[in-house]
Amino acid sequence: EVQLVESGGGLVKPGGSLRLSCAASGFTFSSYSMNWVRQAPGKGLEWVSYISGRSSYINYVDSVTGRFTISRDNAKNSLYLQMDSLRAEDTAVYYCARGPYCGGDCDPGRYLDYWGQGTLVTVSS
Amino acid sequence: QSALTQPASVSGSPGQSITISCTGTSSDVGGYTYVSWYQQHPGKAPKLMIFDVSIRPSGISNRFSGSKSDNTASLTISGLQAEDEADYYCSSYTRRSRVVLFGGGTKLTVL
Repeated sequence: EVQLVESGGGLVKPGGSLRLSCAASGFTFSSYSMNWVRQAPGKGLEWVSYISGRSSYINYVDSVTGRFTISRDNAKNSLYLQMDSLRAEDTAVYYCARGPYCGGDCDPGRYLDYWGQGTLVTVSS
Repeated sequence: QSALTQPASVSGSPGQSITISCTGTSSDVGGYTYVSWYQQHPGKAPKLMIFDVSIRPSGISNRFSGSKSDNTASLTISGLQAEDEADYYCSSYTRRSRVVLFGGGTKLTVL
């Protein structure tokens, strides 16, 4: 059974940093792309970033480029999101989600077939 | 990176069919076959319902179907059931810019 479990959320002051983790199990982690998607309170979904299985393809939504860094450790079956220079507008539930199998060429954001339960990040003074 | 356009809300009675639209541009929805749909119940994680415009993942009821015409994708739910009441989001992956776009979401109410 595919499982994704996020951790690392919490309350942080504007300008601060936070590192989210996503522990994966039930599939060959290194063969799949992974994504982070966020949802501000009462709002819709917003894609944040993706990373291909071997970290060859990485991309971000414009609003976090230069502030957030996605990474993965395939030996630990873990996905990470380093969030720096946090702003109030980054307040959201952050979900990790599995993308498609990444063989040769890869479309990491083509669809997201398994999602974690999310971790809440609150940026406030 | 503009969001895709969905109606804020739709409603239908049990047993009826409804359709949710998702409008983009020729650079995203219209130009690629990578449109997906997600269902989200309150307080829960989203769930993939349709990918690549019209493909249902294993375990998804055939009451859910997807289609696309020009720059607009659609999700149709037939034989509405109470448990279908949820928020629905469309998404488009653009190979050109390699970004993922979501629609603003549509709240489905089963009357």
